[in-house]
Amino acid sequence: GEQVEQLPSILRVQEGSSASINCSYEDSASNYFPWYKQEPGENPKLIIDIRSNMERKQIQELIVLLDKKAKRFSLHITDTQPGDSAMYFCAASDNRIFFGDGTQLVVKP
Amino acid sequence: AQTIHQWPVAEIKAVGSPLSLGCTIKGKSSPNLYWYWQATGGTLQQLFYSITVGQVESVVQLNLSASRPKDDQFILSTEKLLLSHSGFYLCAWSLGGNSNERLFFGHGTKLSVL
Repeated sequence: GEQVEQLPSILRVQEGSSASINCSYEDSASNYFPWYKQEPGENPKLIIDIRSNMERKQIQELIVLLDKKAKRFSLHITDTQPGDSAMYFCAASDNRIFFGDGTQLVVKP
Repeated sequence: AQTIHQWPVAEIKAVGSPLSLGCTIKGKSSPNLYWYWQATGGTLQQLFYSITVGQVESVVQLNLSASRPKDDQFILSTEKLLLSHSGFYLCAWSLGGNSNERLFFGHGTKLSVL
């Protein structure tokens, strides 16, 4: 099945700076790439997604980039705030969804 | 509006005891249903998925089983719990069919096996 690699596992940034999380996948048939944010004790929630017919998508401070040739996609959070501190999961999907191992983002005030 | 309900919210069980976790989805017919397991601070591990009543596919063998007795119900169970079963269990649904859609997660069940 699909394998999704997510890096880094822990990311510490200063408030107001940018944070970037990178993922790679193996199956070229994957065509849907969601990102989930999970706060402690909570369930994961979709924050942004991108489909294979797009290369870039932005929702407010969230930017996702997709490079289909390299089989890589990434999440960029601009102007991070303490409320952005959470676990972030990338995923790649064809008919089944495979998650990366997660990135713990810590935004320091 | 669709709602997903998981029960129980938390369980403390002894090794070797049985377990049954439930999940119901209201407001959506024929959803794809999923069970995920998450160790504390760990990744989401897909356990089972189901695209229709009575049909369940196993993704990872963890001495657990799943059933879909009704279109809106997904059950995760085992007859004998292991210590390694401790963790957070999440039920999720997505739109049926082959389209790729977002997952909607339930609030999860925290399981502690002692």
